[in-house]
Amino acid sequence: QVQLQESGPGLVKPSETLSLTCIVSGDSIGDKYWSWIRQPPGKRLELIGFLYDSGKTYYNPSFKSRVTISMDTSKNQVSLRLTSVTAADTAVYYCARVASGLFDPWGQGTLVSVSS
Amino acid sequence: DIQMTQSPSSLTASVGDRVTITCRASQSINTLLNWYQQKPGEAPNLVIYSATNLHSGVPSRFSGSGSGTDFTLTINTLQPEDFASYFCQQNYNYPYTFGQGTKLAIK
Repeated sequence: QVQLQESGPGLVKPSETLSLTCIVSGDSIGDKYWSWIRQPPGKRLELIGFLYDSGKTYYNPSFKSRVTISMDTSKNQVSLRLTSVTAADTAVYYCARVASGLFDPWGQGTLVSVSS
Repeated sequence: DIQMTQSPSSLTASVGDRVTITCRASQSINTLLNWYQQKPGEAPNLVIYSATNLHSGVPSRFSGSGSGTDFTLTINTLQPEDFASYFCQQNYNYPYTFGQGTKLAIK
């Protein structure tokens, strides 16, 4: 059974960098697609981007200049970095495996608040 | 970006009822539409993929239909564990986008 678990600071200051990690168990990350998705309070889910083919990336143009998704195959984890955060980046952040455009499975998500 | 609009945003129903949730795309997406269930504090789970296909392990009381721009998720004979939020997602083109969600609550 594939399981994903997000982790990282729950509070980030404005203008700083948000960094999250998704540890994957039950699957090898190297040859799959792995995504980050977020949901701001009261708003819809939003794809941030995904990583595939052991290093290629797609980023939602809404984030493209601020986001980096990377992987560490030795730790079987996928990471997210989002720079220059503002209050609008407050959200629950999810990682999920992507296959044929489907997100499955997902992690439980981690809430990140941006506040001074 | 393709805009996905769900209706209703919320609804109440009783155990044993049949409910239908609608998702409309801002342009044709063929049948590249997926449905997810999410319970509070839990990870979302895939329910239906490619508009009509039941994901492995999902009860047969769930069904999906539609193509083009209009899609529906139907749950027959609601069970207590079905009370959750549901949202649609298109994978027709990038960026993949989601509906705003429908919260199904017990009456």
